[in-house]
Amino acid sequence: GQQVMQIPQYQHVQEGEDFTTYCNSSTTLSNIQWYKQRPGGHPVFLIQLVKSGEVKKQKRLTFQFGEAKKNSSLHITATQTTDVGTYFCAGHSSPGNTGKLIFGQGTTLQVKP
Amino acid sequence: NAGVTQTPKFQVLKTGQSMTLQCAQDMNHNSMYWYRQDPGMGLRLIYYSASEGTTDKGEVPNGYNVSRLNKREFSLRLESAAPSQTSVYFCASTRDRTFEAFFGQGTRLTVV
Repeated sequence: GQQVMQIPQYQHVQEGEDFTTYCNSSTTLSNIQWYKQRPGGHPVFLIQLVKSGEVKKQKRLTFQFGEAKKNSSLHITATQTTDVGTYFCAGHSSPGNTGKLIFGQGTTLQVKP
Repeated sequence: NAGVTQTPKFQVLKTGQSMTLQCAQDMNHNSMYWYRQDPGMGLRLIYYSASEGTTDKGEVPNGYNVSRLNKREFSLRLESAAPSQTSVYFCASTRDRTFEAFFGQGTRLTVV
């Protein structure tokens, strides 16, 4: 079945440093989504990428979708303590986005002030 | 607009007991999901429902059953709880056109 893998599992950075998490799927994805979960909270949707090679930005966050639609990355520039949490990628494998939404294992980001 | 509501928020069960986790969404979404979250394992799909009356197994369905009672409600049942089912359970629904997922607050279940 479809598998979505994320690396690294954990990342500790000093405030102001950059951070990147990578997501790889065993199958071609219809789309890739990114979520953030604060400690003790629930996942919250950040963004969705649909097109091959797509790049989207949200302030200090940059999201990329690979050309083959099997990988993605999230890059945070100049991390802040408010960026602390676990970042998940998730994807649908079926055409038309009617399939199951499968999540990666997540990357937990710690930011030292 | 409440979004996705899960009950209960916390539960302690003894091995062998049964319980049902309730989930309801008020966003008129067709697709609903149950996930479990364990340290280092991410969110693993237990069951999925594409629409009222349909359900499908996810990655870890063993030991669970689900019911899509109507478009709003999707319940998860543990017939005979085991310590391995100690976890945080999340219900989610996805917007029909844009497919972004909305999650409930989670149920923290401990089986002793």
